[in-house]
Amino acid sequence: AQKVTQAQTEISVVEKEDVTLDCVYETRDTTYYLFWYKQPPSGELVFLIRRNSFDEQNEISGRYSWNFQKSTSSFNFTITASQVVDSAVYFCALLYGNNRLAFGKGNQVVVIP
Amino acid sequence: DGGITQSPKYLFRKEGQNVTLSCEQNLNHDAMYWYRQDPGQGLRLIYYSQIVNDFQKGDIAEGYSVSREKKESFPLTVTSAQKNPTAFYLCASSRRQSSGDTQYFGPGTRLTVL
Repeated sequence: AQKVTQAQTEISVVEKEDVTLDCVYETRDTTYYLFWYKQPPSGELVFLIRRNSFDEQNEISGRYSWNFQKSTSSFNFTITASQVVDSAVYFCALLYGNNRLAFGKGNQVVVIP
Repeated sequence: DGGITQSPKYLFRKEGQNVTLSCEQNLNHDAMYWYRQDPGQGLRLIYYSQIVNDFQKGDIAEGYSVSREKKESFPLTVTSAQKNPTAFYLCASSRRQSSGDTQYFGPGTRLTVL
């Protein structure tokens, strides 16, 4: 079975602090894809990053960085020097089977000015 | 601009009524999807379609129906058989339904049953 677990439900940080969101996944597939999406208060899901199971290279994009470790089935996401505009719900998702996405329950990030 | 549009943004329905949610994309994507989101929950797949005139049930298809008569359009009907339809509905599309293509989402429709 495919499953994505995001343990922390709500995380509050003071502006300029770093915040790390944990994502643990389960799959029996040898080829799979992992995603992070951002859902601001407006509701639309915004695509942030896509990773395939063969590429464990960590990535940095501006203030965002991702740490993918197959050995621990984790795909963690860090926001460096958080800003109020980062306040949103962040979803980790696993692509499996016939391009179907399994979502975690999301992390509500609240950045306090 | 290319993207996915959903209408209406807010929809109110009386119990026992069917309602149809619109989803249109001009990205020339082959695959389209409907998801449901409940408060504090992740998204759950309702229906998906890989090509015109073909679609498959997702994890929670009961009480919903879809059609795919045109590549760019994938409307969702919430029928009176859906016991708890109040939710946020998101439409998505991807270039193909294979090869790990990224799904891009529309702005969503918030349905409330009165």
